[in-house]
Amino acid sequence: DFQLTQSPSFLSASVGDRVTITCRASRVISNYLAWYQQKPGKAPELLIYAASTLQSGVPSRFSGSGSGTEFTLTISSLQPEDFATYYCQRLNYYPRNIFGQGTRLEIK
Amino acid sequence: EVQLVESGGGLVRPGGSLRLSCAASGFIFSDYDIHWVRQVTGRGLEWVSSIGSAGDTNYADSVRGRFTISRESGKNSFYLQMSSLTDEDTAVYYCARVRLLCTGDACYRPFDYWGQGTLVTVSS
Repeated sequence: DFQLTQSPSFLSASVGDRVTITCRASRVISNYLAWYQQKPGKAPELLIYAASTLQSGVPSRFSGSGSGTEFTLTISSLQPEDFATYYCQRLNYYPRNIFGQGTRLEIK
Repeated sequence: EVQLVESGGGLVRPGGSLRLSCAASGFIFSDYDIHWVRQVTGRGLEWVSSIGSAGDTNYADSVRGRFTISRESGKNSFYLQMSSLTDEDTAVYYCARVRLLCTGDACYRPFDYWGQGTLVTVSS
């Protein structure tokens, strides 16, 4: 079965830090990947699609890269509002969606 | 303003049924696919089902045969009829809209709007 594996599962960082989250696919998916941010008690919000294209309105400190099986989400300078859980999502083989298990980003 | 508002969650006994609703506004109802995604408290996201603008439906293996997704144009609403519920179905259920986004010669279908979620608890 296809899987998306995120690492780390938990990340502790400080405001102003640069952080990177990795999402690895069990098979090649080209750049058919999205990233979402979810804050406690809220629905996820789309950050990035096509592995690296920023959704309208998302701050430029967020960036995505990768293709094939390895992808990264980078936040260049953490802001207090960025502490949340991040999920990657496979976008090919639509409509069957697969999500990564999530990376929880907390304040150090 | 695009809005998706879920309702219909609650407490149901194992083996019971429940119908979730997702009321849509702020966009042309018939132009978009809608998906249901669920999340066990403190856990990750699990795709449940989808209905396309043409009415085509798809289901995760874990719910196929027990859940039915539908849409009602006159009410701008989507539904998830759930039956034979087990405790493994306990979760917050979100409806989410798919946006077709194209860059270069490729197109992608991420979820651009989500509802606030409705909690389903299956317990005796």
